[in-house]
Amino acid sequence: AQSVTQLGSHVSVSEGALVLLRCNYSSSVPPYLFWYVQYPNQGLQLLLKYTSAATLVKGINGFEAEFKKSETSFHLTKPSAHMSDAAEYFCAVSEDFGNEKLTFGTGTRLTIIP
Amino acid sequence: NAGVTQTPKFQVLKTGQSMTLQCAQDMNHEYMSWYRQDPGMGLRLIHYSVGAGITDQGEVPNGYNVSRSTTEDFPLRLLSAAPSQTSVYFCASGNNEQFFGPGTRLTVL
Repeated sequence: AQSVTQLGSHVSVSEGALVLLRCNYSSSVPPYLFWYVQYPNQGLQLLLKYTSAATLVKGINGFEAEFKKSETSFHLTKPSAHMSDAAEYFCAVSEDFGNEKLTFGTGTRLTIIP
Repeated sequence: NAGVTQTPKFQVLKTGQSMTLQCAQDMNHEYMSWYRQDPGMGLRLIHYSVGAGITDQGEVPNGYNVSRSTTEDFPLRLLSAAPSQTSVYFCASGNNEQFFGPGTRLTVL
């Protein structure tokens, strides 16, 4: 069975500061990992995905994530936060290459302090 | 392309009423799925389909039915709504990447 744990349901950072959102996974097979962003009253949008091609994955809007098998982690980072980054972020795992049947974490709400 | 569309955007039901949440996609995706989103619980998979005529249960299927008569449409039916089904429902489709619809916010009184 697969699962995802997101540490910190709320994270606040100052504009221009580093963003770090944590995600740890559990999977019985090599996982496929994803980060999604949800802006208020909208659906989810894919930020980036790890499918074993490279451990450092670059996504949209300046975000990136590093797959660390030894730590079972896939933390999301952005060097400099922007006000427009305020949203809820979900980490997800799939054991299927087609990334069907996603298992989501409980989400982290990111607040940007002006 | 319209992508993934969902109707209605909002719905209020009384306990015991039935309704169908509509989901359609115009990207010719074989895989479609329904999730519900509840505060503090992330998204949980209700039902999914790997193609027309094929459906299967996800993590939280009780109280919901689905069918897939065409590639484009994947409706979700609540036969007898309960307050525990108050949630935001998202439909998704995709082959190598899941595209999510805008959601349906359902309240059951």
